[in-house]
Amino acid sequence: GESVGLHLPTLSVQEGDNSIINCAYSNSASDYFIWYKQESGKGPQFIIDIRSNMDKRQGQRVTVLLNKTVKHLSLQIAATQPGDSAVYFCAENRGATNKLIFGTGTLLAVQP
Amino acid sequence: DVKVTQSSRYLVKRTGEKVFLECVQDMDHENMFWYRQDPGLGLRLIYFSYDVKMKEKGDIPEGYSVSREKKERFSLILESASTNQTSMYLCATKTERYGYTFGSGTRLTVV
Repeated sequence: GESVGLHLPTLSVQEGDNSIINCAYSNSASDYFIWYKQESGKGPQFIIDIRSNMDKRQGQRVTVLLNKTVKHLSLQIAATQPGDSAVYFCAENRGATNKLIFGTGTLLAVQP
Repeated sequence: DVKVTQSSRYLVKRTGEKVFLECVQDMDHENMFWYRQDPGLGLRLIYFSYDVKMKEKGDIPEGYSVSREKKERFSLILESASTNQTSMYLCATKTERYGYTFGSGTRLTVV
């Protein structure tokens, strides 16, 4: 079936290191991808998005890479900080349906 | 900033009770969504609405219904709560300009 999934359920990194969180998707018709951060007790918060006509998009300390050939999405966080500790979700938006399909999430734990 | 408010952070209800989860948004957005979030399963779409009095089933609508009488309010209804509906419930709105905005969630426990 169609799905969006994450390779690693838990990622532990040292403060100051770079983090890479990966996501696989199966629906080649998806045209828009989003990364969310969810801190404990809060709803998901938008981090960065990318459309299917792009390969890379950069924000403040974050970069999203999209590889349509292998249907792979990644989120890179530079100089990871304790405040980055959270669960990260990738999501795909199938434009015609106006629905978000989420992956299962990766817990990022930043060690001081 | 867009604000999505869920009226309760925590709820405990008994099996068989009728439960209402309320969501209010302050930006006149047309699209509203209800998700449930469970460990290992991520967020799954229950119902969504494009406009007042309009609703569409999501991926797991069984056991739920919704109401959208006013544009700013989207209610999720559990007609007869069961223990397998214990979960975190998240409401969201969507616009082309702002994308998706989520509320803080309601953690429902059915005993």
